Amino acid sequence: KQEVTQIPAALSVPEGENLVLNCSFTDSAIYNLQWFRQDPGKGLTSLLLIQSSQREQTSGRLNASLDKSSGRSTLYIAASQPGDSATYLCAVGDSNYQLIWGAGTKLIIKP
Amino acid sequence: EAGVTQSPTHLIKTRGQQATLRCSPISGHTSVYWYQQALGLGLQFLLWYDEGEERNRGNFPPRFSGRQFPNYSSELNVNALELEDSALYLCASSLRGYSGNTIYFGEGSWLTVV
Repeated sequence: KQEVTQIPAALSVPEGENLVLNCSFTDSAIYNLQWFRQDPGKGLTSLLLIQSSQREQTSGRLNASLDKSSGRSTLYIAASQPGDSATYLCAVGDSNYQLIWGAGTKLIIKP
Repeated sequence: EAGVTQSPTHLIKTRGQQATLRCSPISGHTSVYWYQQALGLGLQFLLWYDEGEERNRGNFPPRFSGRQFPNYSSELNVNALELEDSALYLCASSLRGYSGNTIYFGEGSWLTVV
């Protein structure tokens, strides 16, 4: 059974720093992996989708990497801003059209 | 292009009543998913509909049900409401199935059971 873990559960960094959020999964047989952000009391916004055949995806200041063999994905945020404060979730897509979710990392960027 | 829309935004019901939540997917998307997010907890998968049929169901009692209409919109019904059903209910849509397709979420419907 696929399990997705995100560590740490919470992270606080000063504005301007580069940071890395981690997502690990137990079964390497995945179709894809997605990163989302969720602002308090709101829906989720898709950030990046990495297919199983890809190693990374980039969008602006965000870069997501995927290493299936080690069961890990990282989301790199460059030059963090207070507006980046949110909860970041990763979700793994499997062959049964299921998305298995991590519990998220709550990120706070201090001005 | 309109995103995933959900209604109502907020709903207050009394224990034992029924609640109906509605979702309109992005145009062209045939898959609709429902999730429950209780305060402080993670996303819990409820239901997946595609092409009008229920494709998968999460670990929820039968009083959670729904349907998908021919225009791919969907509604979630929660019968015999309990206090612990209070949560943010999120709807999402995608092209058929998750595999290779980005999933897009609506802003959610807050259900409060008193």
